[in-house]
Amino acid sequence: AQKITQTQPGMFVQEKEAVTLDCTYDTSDPSYGLFWYKQPSSGEMIFLIYQGSYDQQNATEGRYSLNFQKARKSANLVISASQLGDSAMYFCAMREPPYFGNEKLTFGTGTRLTIIP
Amino acid sequence: DAMVIQNPRYQVTQFGKPVTLSCSQTLNHNVMYWYQQKSSQAPKLLFHYYDKDFNNEADTPDNFQSRRPNTSFCFLDIRSPGLGDAAMYLCATSRDREDYEQYFGPGTRLTVT
Repeated sequence: AQKITQTQPGMFVQEKEAVTLDCTYDTSDPSYGLFWYKQPSSGEMIFLIYQGSYDQQNATEGRYSLNFQKARKSANLVISASQLGDSAMYFCAMREPPYFGNEKLTFGTGTRLTIIP
Repeated sequence: DAMVIQNPRYQVTQFGKPVTLSCSQTLNHNVMYWYQQKSSQAPKLLFHYYDKDFNNEADTPDNFQSRRPNTSFCFLDIRSPGLGDAAMYLCATSRDREDYEQYFGPGTRLTVT
């Protein structure tokens, strides 16, 4: 079963508008971490934001915020006031407890965001 | 101030010719990972090292091997590259097993001709 689902393969958003990228996840473990990464066309993976499963408040990092709805198993990324430089591929990822054999990040299939001037 | 460095950024190799990709880190992290990312797909973990302990993913082909001679360096060896091995190869590190965050390098884009 897919553990991370990103249902939006591509999105086009007008510059300066807010954008929400969807991510749902599946795990039976109460302890996990959720990440968003940005991957520009150059290829490097840039860490944006992290939410722990026990964190009471939604994570925020500058223009990025994570709308964490634990009961719905949803971890949407919100980018406020989008900029042309936000055009990139965005990956949602999950890491379950780091006991031996489970140290990897599981990535979703990504959403390609294009900001229109 | 680069923390995870991958060389080269672009590598072209011939079908069947062995190739080595390198990764180094200045973070002194215990864990190093290699991911393969094919075009328009999500990154897929190949293997990782926890210190000197090597952990291979079950579906990683035997064609792929890795070496970690010291804390700072990790190598990905592809013994006989096929056309299907053309991809972006991403190296990442994390401080320890208990540390959730992974730091990625810029990647090496491998082309097989």
